[in-house]
Amino acid sequence: DTEVTQTPKHLVMGMTNKKSLKCEQHMGHRAMYWYKQKAKKPPELMFVYSYEKLSINESVPSRFSPECPNSSLLNLHLHALQPEDSALYLCASSQGWGTGGTGELFFGEGSRLTVL
Amino acid sequence: AQRVTQPEKLLSVFKGAPVELKCNYSYSGSPELFWYVQYSRQRLQLLLRHISRESIKGFTADLNKGETSFHLKKPFAQEEDSAMYYCALIPTNQAGTALIFGKGTTLSVSS
Repeated sequence: DTEVTQTPKHLVMGMTNKKSLKCEQHMGHRAMYWYKQKAKKPPELMFVYSYEKLSINESVPSRFSPECPNSSLLNLHLHALQPEDSALYLCASSQGWGTGGTGELFFGEGSRLTVL
Repeated sequence: AQRVTQPEKLLSVFKGAPVELKCNYSYSGSPELFWYVQYSRQRLQLLLRHISRESIKGFTADLNKGETSFHLKKPFAQEEDSAMYYCALIPTNQAGTALIFGKGTTLSVSS
């Protein structure tokens, strides 16, 4: 299995809702990432987990809460989001972190989030 | 600071014409450079990386350290090449640094 799988594909939520995005990979990769992508823009890094520990938090607001339950799973918990948070949220994984293989990312198809 | 610059937001060419998507980088060391592609309604995926010196789907890219460039080239564009292309860099002398993306170039190939 050489894919990164994200669920749900689409999510519509109100500003008071709590929801979660899920990501899974079974390639044995030790680093997993959350990116936010707006239309026609490059992905913006949000978080990096390496060996199940948070390695990078790009000053993301606390209404986004990442979780890495094990080496294959990555969640992004969403609470009290704003309409400007509407975007495509991409999960990615890489073989290593801080070593060779960090530049080759495998991306999921993304979860398209709409905040009303 | 490391930076990746793609000067063209949009590049429009006719089918069969040569294509060159420009990428310049700013980094004092020896970077690893990549091209990623995002076709319409498909996931972002790696196209090629400079260390492998491959040709993928007819595309090649050569790292020019003197000009700090990593331009993506294809001699004869096809309509299926239409996509968003991102140049990306990872520093090799800094552990714990994620991939740095350029702003991207949309390639439109028409018949």
